[in-house]
Amino acid sequence: QKEVEQDPGPLSVPEGAIVSLNCTYSNSAFQYFMWYRQYSRKGPELLMYTYSSGNKEDGRFTAQVDKSSKYISLFIRDSQPSDSATYLCAMNDSWGKLQFGAGTQVVVTP
Amino acid sequence: EAQVTQNPRYLITVTGKKLTVTCSQNMNHEYMSWYRQDPGLGLRQIYYSMNVEVTDKGDVPEGYKVSRKEKRNFPLILESPSPNQTSLYFCATRPIREGMQNEKLFFGSGTQLSVL
Repeated sequence: QKEVEQDPGPLSVPEGAIVSLNCTYSNSAFQYFMWYRQYSRKGPELLMYTYSSGNKEDGRFTAQVDKSSKYISLFIRDSQPSDSATYLCAMNDSWGKLQFGAGTQVVVTP
Repeated sequence: EAQVTQNPRYLITVTGKKLTVTCSQNMNHEYMSWYRQDPGLGLRQIYYSMNVEVTDKGDVPEGYKVSRKEKRNFPLILESPSPNQTSLYFCATRPIREGMQNEKLFFGSGTQLSVL
């Protein structure tokens, strides 16, 4: 069983809709939770980072962490065609070893 | 401009022909790492390096070698490539700061390798 599970999609939404992405994990030692965005033919770029449980908001993006359920989410409000990309969750423990989810492909149609 | 440069971007080769994928960074980062990305499997770490002359295996090191003779360069070597090494490869770097385990990874643009 993988330590980090993420639905690969694709997830297709109309422009302006809310995009909801999530990952589940099995390792209770994970403390740092990240979302990377990867455009086609590019390397991933860090989008959001959260530590432990709670919410974090940055513009149209909200990241949520529920450590009791071992579940993290990313919400994109007012989605735009430029949000079309693959979104990868990532997490690590205090030793810093990073584990990535498989990535969810998101397509926002005009 | 902060950059992680990988070469080549695309490579088609045949089984058994040794190849090297280069990675260079201009950010003076201590940590460098290689990942491969396969559909449904996400990013898996091949090797990483904490500093010059310090390298260690990641999750999928079989069939790969690395070296870290200079801080800025971290080449990935496939001595005898096989078709199951066909994949998209990424080099990534980050600084190492005491007590900071969540440093952002900077990725290169990737190398698409096909082994026939």
